[in-house]
Amino acid sequence: GENVEQHPSTLSVQEGDSAVIKCTYSDSASNYFPWYKQELGKRPQLIIDIRSNVGEKKDQRIAVTLNKTAKHFSLHITETQPEDSAVYFCAAIIPNQAGTALIFGKGTTLSVSS
Amino acid sequence: KAGVTQTPRYLIKTRGQQVTLSCSPISGHRSVSWYQQTPGQGLQFLFEYFSETQRNKGNFPGRFSGRQFSNSRSEMNVSTLELGDSALYLCASSSGQGANEQYFGPGTRLTVT
Repeated sequence: GENVEQHPSTLSVQEGDSAVIKCTYSDSASNYFPWYKQELGKRPQLIIDIRSNVGEKKDQRIAVTLNKTAKHFSLHITETQPEDSAVYFCAAIIPNQAGTALIFGKGTTLSVSS
Repeated sequence: KAGVTQTPRYLIKTRGQQVTLSCSPISGHRSVSWYQQTPGQGLQFLFEYFSETQRNKGNFPGRFSGRQFSNSRSEMNVSTLELGDSALYLCASSSGQGANEQYFGPGTRLTVT
């Protein structure tokens, strides 16, 4: 079945720096890749997603890139701010099913210090 | 639109008991998925319901079950609770019709003693 690996598990950056989180997936049939941000004690929040027919997507300071050949996708956060500190999860939709079931990476704890 | 809601927010149960958790999706959404979140295993897919039918199931034992009602509200039940069932149980709402975006509820924190 589908497997998602996420790196790094922790990431510390200075305010204003960029942060990059990388994920790889195992099943080439996956076609939807969302990213979630989870602050302490809160629900996971969908921040950006990408479909397999697109190579890159941007939304203000965040962007996601997808390399289907290598089966990996990355989250890029530019000009980081303290409020970006949270756990970030990547996910891939389980392929060949009619529903929306997701397989998640283990998460990256991002700490932005001012 | 109101977001996804879950009740109760916190539960403490004893081993061997059973528990029922409830999830109300975003108005108009017909798909509800359930996930278990633990520090060790992360977010794991339990099952998905769409139009009152289970559409997908993860790799959890039969003690974990669910259902969906005609108004799209969903419940999940865990029978014969074990200590390892202690976790945050999250449900996610999706339109379920060609759109994959899922929006999570606040979760139910279950503690089994």
